[in-house]
Amino acid sequence: RKEVEQDPGPFNVPEGATVAFNCTYSNSASQSFFWYRQDCRKEPKLLMSVYSSGNEDGRFTAQLNRASQYISLLIRDSKLSDSATYLCAVIPTNNAGNMLTFGGGTRLMVKP
Amino acid sequence: GAGVSQSPRYKVAKRGQDVALRCDPISGHVSLFWYQQALGQGPEFLTYFQNEAQLDKSGLPSDRFFAERPEGSVSTLKIQRTQQEDSAVYLCASSLAGRVNQPQHFGDGTRLSIL
Repeated sequence: RKEVEQDPGPFNVPEGATVAFNCTYSNSASQSFFWYRQDCRKEPKLLMSVYSSGNEDGRFTAQLNRASQYISLLIRDSKLSDSATYLCAVIPTNNAGNMLTFGGGTRLMVKP
Repeated sequence: GAGVSQSPRYKVAKRGQDVALRCDPISGHVSLFWYQQALGQGPEFLTYFQNEAQLDKSGLPSDRFFAERPEGSVSTLKIQRTQQEDSAVYLCASSLAGRVNQPQHFGDGTRLSIL
């Protein structure tokens, strides 16, 4: 089983829709969680960190469920420009170097 | 301000050749990471530096891979006797300090193709 797993998609949604992705992680001691966005042939860019209390940034909401060991990303009012691959990343606490363990990414396609 | 800079952007090499990939992190960033991203996959950790010290190289796939950061700034990832399975995007990331919640900032990557 991979340490961090995501549904690869693609998720095809119309403009204006609300879409949610989940990401599961296997190391229950993990403490830091992130969502990155990656456009085709580009580098991953940090979208948001995921805090225990959940956090919101405009149309984007991230939540952490420790009991079930998953993080989620909700995108409201989808825009065409939201089309990208969304990568979740985890840093396990026993990881002295703070290297990220990524999921395989979920591809989102927003259509007009 | 300048982000993480990687060069070359693209590299094509014949199987068996040696290649060197360069990463120039954000100025002042202590931590530097190398990742390998295969097509359709998420990035996978290769190695980590804190200043000039290579603290973790557990992700390097074989002894053909070697990384250095001699002055604690620019880093080079070298792959000797390249194989076709080395074809991937090599991403470098840096962060301000070695704390758990510091975000990592990625460069554009080097797209390596081995023929």
